[in-house]
Amino acid sequence: NAGVTQTPKFQVLKTGQSMTLQCAQDMNHEYMSWYRQDPGMGLRLIHYSVGAGITDQGEVPNGYNVSRSTTEDFPLRLLSAAPSQTSVYFCASSLAGVGNTIYFGEGSWLTVV
Amino acid sequence: ILNVEQSPQSLHVQEGDSTNFTCSFPSSNFYALHWYRWETAKSPEALFVMTLNGDEKKKGRISATLNTKEGYSYLYIKGSQPEDSATYLCAFPSTGTASKLTFGTGTRLQVTL
Repeated sequence: NAGVTQTPKFQVLKTGQSMTLQCAQDMNHEYMSWYRQDPGMGLRLIHYSVGAGITDQGEVPNGYNVSRSTTEDFPLRLLSAAPSQTSVYFCASSLAGVGNTIYFGEGSWLTVV
Repeated sequence: ILNVEQSPQSLHVQEGDSTNFTCSFPSSNFYALHWYRWETAKSPEALFVMTLNGDEKKKGRISATLNTKEGYSYLYIKGSQPEDSATYLCAFPSTGTASKLTFGTGTRLQVTL
């Protein structure tokens, strides 16, 4: 009963390094999203996808890339890490339609030094 | 960017107390309202997805109401227990897409013996 799986759970990066946060879901959900959580702020949308091959920007997309080559996977790439990207990252998925429950992964804690 | 506001920011109650929080959202172009329960280091857990004005939903000791005309939802916890300690988030789809949620900053509840 995997649901939404994110890896890694914890990562420390040096400024300028690149990395990919992995997200996979096994519920055949069309919609997938990436959010970041910062102290004193609500979860903010980075990028989202409404299906394989379709991605779009959210509220805070700068410094991140995504792709959706399969229904199951939605990786988030940090191109050149900056201290401002220190955050907790959540991947989420759902069936299409605003009335459906959205399922979250357990989060990835990223520190950029 | 939509404005979703939650109050209070934090709440400290004794075991057995009943409590409630508020989520305010734009009353125009309403699609749905989501409530989540989030414990640190865990995934946000979906509590309710509410879509109709006047909706009332219940899950154990937790219930929620929705007023789309005035743009607010209340979350109630009856007889709070220490295991209810968490941050309660509400989220509002900014379009008809479940992937694009705007979150409030949450109400942090602490229940002590």
